[in-house]
Amino acid sequence: QVQLVESGGGVVQPGRTLRLSCAASGFTFNKYGLHWVRQAPGKGLEWLAVITNDGTKQYYALSVKGRFTISRDTSNNTLFLQMNNVRLDDTGVYYCALTPEDYFEHWGQGTLVTVSS
Amino acid sequence: SYVLTQPPSVSVAPGETARITCGGNYISIYSVHWYQQKPGQAPVLVVYDDSDRPSGIPERFAGSNSGNTATLTISGVEAGDEADYYCQVWDSSSDHDWVFGGGTKLTVL
Repeated sequence: QVQLVESGGGVVQPGRTLRLSCAASGFTFNKYGLHWVRQAPGKGLEWLAVITNDGTKQYYALSVKGRFTISRDTSNNTLFLQMNNVRLDDTGVYYCALTPEDYFEHWGQGTLVTVSS
Repeated sequence: SYVLTQPPSVSVAPGETARITCGGNYISIYSVHWYQQKPGQAPVLVVYDDSDRPSGIPERFAGSNSGNTATLTISGVEAGDEADYYCQVWDSSSDHDWVFGGGTKLTVL
C-alpha cells in the first residue's frame, strides 16, 4: 500500500533553513505528482508546492514562492522541501501528498515545524 | 486566486443528515473534492470529482456540485463523523493553484 513518511521537522529560528523529506513507497514513484501541504496550529489546510512526476516542473503558492524549493530524488523515492528564510508564520504541520489526478489521494502523517526565536 | 467559502461549523444530531457547503464563483465548472480530518490525524479523501467515493468510504457520504455551491451530504450521521471537513479544487487558470476551503467543523450533538 502507499506510504508517505515525512521527516525533518523541528524547531528553527526565523531566517534560518530547514529541509523536509518524505520517503515514499508502495507505488511507482515517477508516475505521480507530489505535493507539500501545511496546516498552521488550529488553522486550515494550505497547499504549498507541487512537482510533476518527471520532476521537470514545479509550482508554488505565493506565500512560499522564492523561499521554498520542492524537489524529488527518483533513485531514493524521496520528496524534499527546502525551506529558506523561514518566518514565524511558517509554523505548522507539513504533509506530503500524492495526486493521481487533481485531488490528494494519499497523505503522510505530517511533520511539525516550529519557527521560534 | 480562486476562493472557496465554507461555514465554520455545522451541528447535527446522531442519525440526522449533515450538509456542508462549499461556495465558489461558478464552482460547478470545477471538480470538487472533500476531505475529512480528525484531531491529530492527516486528512482523508472522502469524495472526489464532485460525487465519487474512494474505496472504503461509506455510501453515507455523498457529494454534489451545481451553480456556485458544492455540497457534502452525510446521511445517518454517527459520532465518529465528528471532524473537520475541507473542500478543494484545482484552479489550472492561475499558475496551478490547488485551493482549499477554510474548513467546517462538524459537531455531532
